[in-house]
Amino acid sequence: DGGITQSPKYLFRKEGQNVTLSCEQNLNHDAMYWYRQDPGQGLRLIYYSQIVNDFQKGDIAEGYSVSREKKESFPLTVTSAQKNPTAFYLCASSIHSNQPQHFGDGTRLSIL
Amino acid sequence: DAKTTQPNSMESNEEEPVHLPCNHSTISGTDYIHWYRQLPSQGPEYVIHGLTSNVNNRMASLAIAEDRKSSTLILHRATLRDAAVYYCILSPPWSGGGADGLTFGKGTHLIIQP
Repeated sequence: DGGITQSPKYLFRKEGQNVTLSCEQNLNHDAMYWYRQDPGQGLRLIYYSQIVNDFQKGDIAEGYSVSREKKESFPLTVTSAQKNPTAFYLCASSIHSNQPQHFGDGTRLSIL
Repeated sequence: DAKTTQPNSMESNEEEPVHLPCNHSTISGTDYIHWYRQLPSQGPEYVIHGLTSNVNNRMASLAIAEDRKSSTLILHRATLRDAAVYYCILSPPWSGGGADGLTFGKGTHLIIQP
């Protein structure tokens, strides 16, 4: 079945450490997105990519980095510069930007 | 960006219809109205979207006011699996140019009583 796979489901990070969250899709979608969700809140956009080798900052990009070397993959790195990284991270994709988005099941990141 | 206003929570009984309202008085003429829902500890799930006319699919119906300043998501026969947070979101049409992701508010927490 086609879909979006995020891994790992749970991730723990030590202070000062960079971690990378994986997002893979086999839907042949051009656009991919990363969101952050804090408890009881809606989703906030971190980065998005409309096409391979291109990506744009969202509303809260500071302390995060991404790459889009392949159409099906859009990994997110949470750097040590992100001072409050504990959150639920969601990856999504769509055929084109502003089309309905398909979401993964998320990665929950915690700080040790 | 045009914003939406939804009730924080709503409660309904199983097997009854549910009407989830959304106000978007500053909607532009080209904004689409999208609805997503999110079950606990899962990613959001697309439900339905529309522009001007009412829309139906296997999950729900979307009723859009004539002036487009409000809309209602209708679940025709709620089940316990419909308990989730429902988000009403405005999105401009795809123009092939730059575009942001979706802007999610806090949504409506729908509680279904057995």
